[in-house]
Amino acid sequence: NAGVTQTPKFQVLKTGQSMTLQCAQDMNHEYMSWYRQDPGMGLRLIHYSVGAGITDQGEVPNGYNVSRSTTEDFPLRLLSAAPSQTSVYFCASSLFLGGINEQFFGPGTRLTVL
Amino acid sequence: KNEVEQSPQNLTAQEGEFITINCSYSVGISALHWLQQHPGGGIVSLFMLSSGKKKHGRLIATINIQEKHSSLHITASHPRDSAVYICAVSVNNDMRFGAGTRLTVKP
Repeated sequence: NAGVTQTPKFQVLKTGQSMTLQCAQDMNHEYMSWYRQDPGMGLRLIHYSVGAGITDQGEVPNGYNVSRSTTEDFPLRLLSAAPSQTSVYFCASSLFLGGINEQFFGPGTRLTVL
Repeated sequence: KNEVEQSPQNLTAQEGEFITINCSYSVGISALHWLQQHPGGGIVSLFMLSSGKKKHGRLIATINIQEKHSSLHITASHPRDSAVYICAVSVNNDMRFGAGTRLTVKP
Protein backbone atom coordinates (compact mmCIF):
# COMPACT_ATOMS: atom_id res chain seq x y z
CA ASN A 1 0.00 0.00 0.00
CA ALA A 2 1.21 3.49 -0.83
CA GLY A 3 -0.89 4.95 2.00
CA VAL A 4 -1.77 8.62 1.50
CA THR A 5 -0.02 10.36 -1.36
CA GLN A 6 0.07 14.06 -2.15
CA THR A 7 1.29 15.99 -5.16
CA PRO A 8 3.06 18.26 -5.64
CA LYS A 9 5.53 18.39 -2.75
CA PHE A 10 6.39 22.03 -3.40
CA GLN A 11 4.59 24.77 -5.31
CA VAL A 12 5.07 28.49 -5.85
CA LEU A 13 2.13 30.54 -7.09
CA LYS A 14 1.53 34.17 -7.89
CA THR A 15 -1.35 36.00 -6.27
CA GLY A 16 -4.55 35.30 -8.17
CA GLN A 17 -3.45 32.02 -9.73
CA SER A 18 -5.47 28.86 -9.16
CA MET A 19 -4.25 25.34 -8.64
CA THR A 20 -5.26 21.93 -7.36
CA LEU A 21 -3.46 19.96 -4.68
CA GLN A 22 -3.90 16.25 -5.25
CA CYS A 23 -4.51 13.67 -2.53
CA ALA A 24 -5.10 9.96 -2.95
CA GLN A 25 -5.31 6.97 -0.60
CA ASP A 26 -5.38 3.25 -1.35
CA MET A 27 -6.66 2.00 2.01
CA ASN A 28 -10.37 2.22 1.16
CA HIS A 29 -10.85 4.86 3.84
CA GLU A 30 -14.18 6.64 3.96
CA TYR A 31 -13.00 9.73 5.82
CA MET A 32 -10.56 12.16 4.20
CA SER A 33 -9.56 15.64 5.25
CA TRP A 34 -7.34 18.58 4.40
CA TYR A 35 -5.38 20.56 6.97
CA ARG A 36 -3.08 23.52 6.82
CA GLN A 37 -0.12 23.93 9.16
CA ASP A 38 1.22 27.38 9.94
CA PRO A 39 4.20 28.26 12.17
CA GLY A 40 3.32 28.35 15.86
CA MET A 41 -0.18 27.04 15.26
CA GLY A 42 -1.72 23.64 15.32
CA LEU A 43 -3.03 21.96 12.20
CA ARG A 44 -6.36 23.47 11.16
CA LEU A 45 -9.08 21.66 9.28
CA ILE A 46 -9.99 23.12 5.88
CA HIS A 47 -12.51 20.63 4.46
CA TYR A 48 -13.41 17.02 5.04
CA SER A 49 -15.34 14.22 3.41
CA VAL A 50 -17.13 11.27 4.99
CA GLY A 51 -17.46 9.38 1.72
CA ALA A 52 -17.68 9.74 -2.05
CA GLY A 53 -19.99 12.59 -2.99
CA ILE A 54 -20.10 14.08 0.53
CA THR A 55 -17.98 17.01 1.67
CA ASP A 56 -18.22 19.61 4.39
CA GLN A 57 -16.38 22.66 5.66
CA GLY A 58 -13.91 22.68 8.49
CA GLU A 59 -12.51 25.53 10.53
CA VAL A 60 -10.84 27.53 7.72
CA PRO A 61 -12.64 26.79 4.41
CA ASN A 62 -12.57 30.23 2.76
CA GLY A 63 -10.67 30.32 -0.52
CA TYR A 64 -10.69 26.53 -0.95
CA ASN A 65 -12.95 24.05 -2.74
CA VAL A 66 -13.03 20.27 -2.57
CA SER A 67 -14.83 17.43 -4.27
CA ARG A 68 -14.93 13.67 -3.69
CA SER A 69 -15.98 11.82 -6.80
CA THR A 70 -14.24 8.58 -5.77
CA THR A 71 -13.32 6.97 -2.46
CA GLU A 72 -9.62 7.24 -3.35
CA ASP A 73 -9.23 10.88 -4.37
CA PHE A 74 -9.83 14.15 -2.53
CA PRO A 75 -8.37 17.16 -4.39
CA LEU A 76 -8.14 20.61 -2.84
CA ARG A 77 -8.59 23.60 -5.15
CA LEU A 78 -7.30 27.07 -4.50
CA LEU A 79 -9.57 29.36 -6.47
CA SER A 80 -7.53 32.57 -6.45
CA ALA A 81 -4.34 32.22 -4.43
CA ALA A 82 -3.51 34.83 -1.80
CA PRO A 83 -0.30 35.27 0.25
CA SER A 84 -2.31 34.28 3.37
CA GLN A 85 -2.59 30.80 1.85
CA THR A 86 1.16 30.28 2.09
CA SER A 87 1.33 27.21 4.29
CA VAL A 88 2.04 23.51 4.44
CA TYR A 89 -0.97 21.44 3.47
CA PHE A 90 -1.61 17.93 4.74
CA CYS A 91 -4.15 15.45 3.51
CA ALA A 92 -5.25 12.75 5.94
CA SER A 93 -7.53 9.75 5.90
CA SER A 94 -9.07 7.33 8.36
CA LEU A 95 -11.37 4.36 8.13
CA PHE A 96 -14.48 6.20 9.24
CA LEU A 97 -15.70 9.63 10.26
CA GLY A 98 -14.01 11.34 13.11
CA GLY A 99 -10.94 10.81 15.16
CA ILE A 100 -11.72 7.58 16.96
CA ASN A 101 -9.84 5.87 14.18
CA GLU A 102 -6.14 6.18 13.48
CA GLN A 103 -5.36 9.05 11.14
CA PHE A 104 -2.95 8.52 8.25
CA PHE A 105 -1.26 11.61 6.88
CA GLY A 106 0.23 12.37 3.50
CA PRO A 107 3.75 13.82 3.22
CA GLY A 108 2.51 17.39 2.82
CA THR A 109 2.62 20.09 0.14
CA ARG A 110 4.59 23.25 0.85
CA LEU A 111 2.85 26.13 -0.92
CA THR A 112 4.22 29.64 -1.30
CA VAL A 113 2.05 32.41 -2.72
CA LEU A 114 3.95 35.50 -3.85
CA LYS B 1 -7.37 30.43 24.24
CA ASN B 2 -6.56 27.28 22.30
CA GLU B 3 -8.76 24.29 22.98
CA VAL B 4 -5.62 22.13 23.10
CA GLU B 5 -2.58 23.37 24.98
CA GLN B 6 0.76 21.62 25.03
CA SER B 7 3.74 22.16 27.27
CA PRO B 8 6.54 22.73 26.97
CA GLN B 9 6.79 24.34 23.53
CA ASN B 10 10.44 23.37 23.24
CA LEU B 11 12.39 20.73 25.10
CA THR B 12 16.06 19.82 24.95
CA ALA B 13 17.27 16.67 26.64
CA GLN B 14 20.41 14.59 26.89
CA GLU B 15 20.39 11.09 25.50
CA GLY B 16 19.03 8.64 28.05
CA GLU B 17 16.84 11.13 29.91
CA PHE B 18 13.19 10.50 30.75
CA ILE B 19 10.96 12.96 28.90
CA THR B 20 7.40 14.12 29.59
CA ILE B 21 5.24 16.20 27.28
CA ASN B 22 1.91 17.44 28.57
CA CYS B 23 -1.38 18.14 26.85
CA SER B 24 -4.46 19.83 28.32
CA TYR B 25 -7.75 20.29 26.55
CA SER B 26 -10.92 22.21 27.32
CA VAL B 27 -13.58 20.43 25.24
CA GLY B 28 -15.42 17.15 25.44
CA ILE B 29 -13.61 14.57 23.37
CA SER B 30 -14.12 11.07 22.06
CA ALA B 31 -10.40 10.29 21.77
CA LEU B 32 -6.98 11.83 22.11
CA HIS B 33 -4.12 11.32 19.67
CA TRP B 34 -0.39 11.72 19.94
CA LEU B 35 1.37 12.35 16.64
CA GLN B 36 5.01 12.65 15.69
CA GLN B 37 6.28 15.00 13.00
CA HIS B 38 9.86 14.46 11.88
CA PRO B 39 12.10 17.20 10.46
CA GLY B 40 11.22 16.02 6.96
CA GLY B 41 7.64 17.02 7.70
CA GLY B 42 5.80 13.70 7.65
CA ILE B 43 3.26 13.07 10.42
CA VAL B 44 2.68 9.65 11.93
CA SER B 45 0.23 8.51 14.55
CA LEU B 46 1.82 7.24 17.77
CA PHE B 47 -1.17 6.66 20.01
CA MET B 48 -4.91 6.95 20.07
CA LEU B 49 -6.54 6.66 23.48
CA SER B 50 -9.79 7.41 25.24
CA SER B 51 -8.89 6.19 28.72
CA GLY B 52 -6.04 4.85 30.81
CA LYS B 53 -2.61 4.19 29.45
CA LYS B 54 -0.93 2.76 26.36
CA LYS B 55 2.67 1.67 25.82
CA HIS B 56 4.63 1.10 22.65
CA GLY B 57 8.31 0.39 23.06
CA ARG B 58 9.87 3.30 24.95
CA LEU B 59 6.79 5.48 24.54
CA ILE B 60 3.95 5.66 27.07
CA ALA B 61 0.80 7.74 26.77
CA THR B 62 -1.66 8.37 29.59
CA ILE B 63 -4.93 10.21 29.77
CA ASN B 64 -7.04 11.51 32.66
CA ILE B 65 -10.51 12.22 31.30
CA GLN B 66 -11.75 13.91 34.48
CA GLU B 67 -8.83 16.34 34.51
CA LYS B 68 -8.79 16.73 30.71
CA HIS B 69 -5.09 16.01 30.62
CA SER B 70 -2.74 13.65 28.82
CA SER B 71 0.98 13.01 29.00
CA LEU B 72 3.43 11.45 26.58
CA HIS B 73 6.50 9.90 28.18
CA ILE B 74 9.67 8.78 26.45
CA THR B 75 11.99 6.54 28.43
CA ALA B 76 15.72 6.30 27.66
CA SER B 77 15.49 9.06 25.07
CA HIS B 78 17.63 8.84 21.93
CA PRO B 79 18.63 11.43 19.30
CA ARG B 80 16.33 9.72 16.81
CA ASP B 81 13.41 10.76 19.07
CA SER B 82 14.07 14.37 18.03
CA ALA B 83 10.86 15.55 16.40
CA VAL B 84 7.77 17.64 17.00
CA TYR B 85 5.15 15.85 19.09
CA ILE B 86 1.58 16.90 18.51
CA CYS B 87 -1.43 16.31 20.73
CA ALA B 88 -4.81 16.23 19.00
CA VAL B 89 -8.34 15.60 20.25
CA SER B 90 -11.35 14.21 18.42
CA VAL B 91 -14.34 16.53 18.75
CA ASN B 92 -17.54 15.67 16.87
CA ASN B 93 -16.63 15.62 13.19
CA ASP B 94 -13.08 16.83 13.34
CA MET B 95 -9.85 16.98 15.24
CA ARG B 96 -8.34 19.91 17.12
CA PHE B 97 -4.58 20.12 17.34
CA GLY B 98 -2.09 21.53 19.78
CA ALA B 99 0.75 23.66 18.43
CA GLY B 100 3.27 20.91 19.12
CA THR B 101 6.31 20.36 21.32
CA ARG B 102 9.69 20.46 19.61
CA LEU B 103 11.97 17.86 21.22
CA THR B 104 15.71 17.81 20.66
CA VAL B 105 17.70 14.95 22.17
CA LYS B 106 21.44 15.53 22.24
CA PRO B 107 23.95 12.66 22.19
